[in-house]
Parts: sequence; C-alpha cells; structure tokens
Amino acid sequence: SQTIHQWPATLVQPVGSPLSLECTVEGTSNPNLYWYRQAAGRGLQLLFYSVGIGQISSEVPQNLSASRPQDRQFILSSKKLLLSDSGFYLCAWTPLEGLGYTFGSGTRLTVV
Amino acid sequence: AQSVTQPDIHITVSEGASLELRCNYSYGATPYLFWYVQSPGQGLQLLLKYFSGDTLVQGIKGFEAEFKRSQSSFNLRKPSVHWSDAAEYFCAVGVSGGYQKVTFGTGTKLQVIP
Repeated sequence: SQTIHQWPATLVQPVGSPLSLECTVEGTSNPNLYWYRQAAGRGLQLLFYSVGIGQISSEVPQNLSASRPQDRQFILSSKKLLLSDSGFYLCAWTPLEGLGYTFGSGTRLTVV
Repeated sequence: AQSVTQPDIHITVSEGASLELRCNYSYGATPYLFWYVQSPGQGLQLLLKYFSGDTLVQGIKGFEAEFKRSQSSFNLRKPSVHWSDAAEYFCAVGVSGGYQKVTFGTGTKLQVIP
C-alpha cells in the first residue's frame, strides 16, 4: 500500500535560519506531489506542486522554494526564514487526476 | 477560477444528533468535490469525493454528501454524531488539467458535546 512520510513533525527555527522539510512517498511511482501551508483560520494554501522529477510549479511568490530530486521525494526549503513563514506545512500526493489527495501528517513550523 | 465557501466557522452538536456541514462552490463546469477531516495537529484525511454519477456519495466513518448542481452545494451529513467526530472539516473543489489543483474552504470546526 502507499504511504507518505513527512518530517520533522515539529520545528522551531530562528528568523534568518534555513529550512528543509522533506516528504517521501512509498508504494507508488510518478506521483503528483504538493506542498500546502495551513495558517490558523485560513484554510490551506497551495505552495508548490510537481508532476515529475525536477518539475516544480509555484503557486504563490514567497520566501520558499521546492525541489524534487527523486521521483518520490519532495523537499521544501528556505534560505532565510521569516516570522510569516510560521504555520503548518502539509505534503500531499495523488496518483491520478481526480482521486483525491493523500496527506502527510504535517510539520508545525514556528519561526521565532 | 474555482472557489469554495464554508459559511459555518464553528458548529456544536450533541452526541447522537444529526449533522450537516454546508459547502458551496463556484466553478464553471462540473467540478471534482471532496470533503476532508483534520484532527488537531494531524494531516487531512479524505472522507469522500464526487466526480460524476450518483449525486449522493457515501464516505468513511458513516458520512455522506449530496451534490446539488442547481444550488452549487456539496453538503456533508451524518445521521448520528459520535464524540470522536469532533474535528475540523474541509470542503474542496478540484479541476482537471494534468494535475489535481484543488481549492480548499476555510474549514468548519465541529464540537461534540455529551
């Protein structure tokens, strides 16, 4: 069966420090991969999506970037974190159009 | 572009009572519609989805939802709520296009009282 792993679960980082969040999917090939951010009371905001290795599309201009070095690995990064980067970050995948996301368990990022 | 509205930010129901969470969408064609549930500090879990066909869809945990094109709605229902149903619920609308681009509502937080 397919599983999605996301880590770390919780992260506290100072302003100006770098960030790397990792997401991996097991049990499938060629998944579409997504990074979402959830801010309190604001629903989910799509940050990046990827339909293949090295193919990254950004939905919102921001202080973050994403990479997909391997088929089932998706990384969210920042060179210098801002206070406004705090939030709950969720990775998700879908094998085919229209089947619904499978989400990871999320990373709670607090920038201090 | 598509959009989703969940008009109720917070709902409180008694355990054993029926539940209906509202969702309205805006999209020019027939959308893909989803309901997700999120427990505190966790990721989102898919409850049910609608793509086409029967407008009443059954999901996990005893939930169902009805697609009403004329009202642009996709309300989530459960006949008898359990305390474990307390969580936040998100309606979402998706469109086709080579990948699945989904827009989420802002969520409805459900509180269940004894």
